[in-house]
Amino acid sequence: QVQLVQSGSELKKPGASVKVSCKASGYTFRSYGMNWVRQAPGQGLEWMGWINTNTGNPTYAQGFTGRFVLSLDTSVSTAYLQISSLKAEDSAVYYCARDASSAWRFDPWGQGTLVIVSS
Amino acid sequence: NFMLTQPHSVSESPGKTVTISCTRSSGSIASNYVQWYQQRPGSAPTIVIYEDNQRPSGVPDRFSGSIDSSSNSASLTISGLKTEDEADYYCQSYDSDNPHVVFGGGTKLTVL
Repeated sequence: QVQLVQSGSELKKPGASVKVSCKASGYTFRSYGMNWVRQAPGQGLEWMGWINTNTGNPTYAQGFTGRFVLSLDTSVSTAYLQISSLKAEDSAVYYCARDASSAWRFDPWGQGTLVIVSS
Repeated sequence: NFMLTQPHSVSESPGKTVTISCTRSSGSIASNYVQWYQQRPGSAPTIVIYEDNQRPSGVPDRFSGSIDSSSNSASLTISGLKTEDEADYYCQSYDSDNPHVVFGGGTKLTVL
């Protein structure tokens, strides 16, 4: 079955970096774009951007440029989200989600990765 | 840029029908498809409606979606409410003028 499995929770200090992985299985990885969504504690969903898994070209939402990098390793069907210079406000659950239709239909989602930034 | 506005919370009794609205602030609601996601506590979102009114396989037919151009809004209707439907629901669309995905703020559904 189509599945996205994300890496485990992370506890980081302010100023550090984190790299979250999202491993896809059950479908042809390069056929569907991959999106990333942030959910701060007790808050709603916020789209961070997406990466074209065929070309590797990333697109970032406003507010997610500079410290955020989307990348791929197509040899292992995995997408990555790297955040540098972490701040306390980056503490959130980060989800990857496949674009199932090239029409912004997110299905399925990864289970989420909790990133906590605290000194 | 447009926003999608949802009621913060709704509540209804088991067996009843509830409708959650999602109003687009500018531009036509019909310009881009609307999706709806269910997020139960502690879990990742799952899609329940795509392309305004299409139901993925596995989603009960108690869930339905629609759009209304007169109110410039989309709606998610859940009939025959069950306690398991208690969750947060998010609408989502795409802004093709300023390419980015837009989520509504979410609606907490309580079934009591």
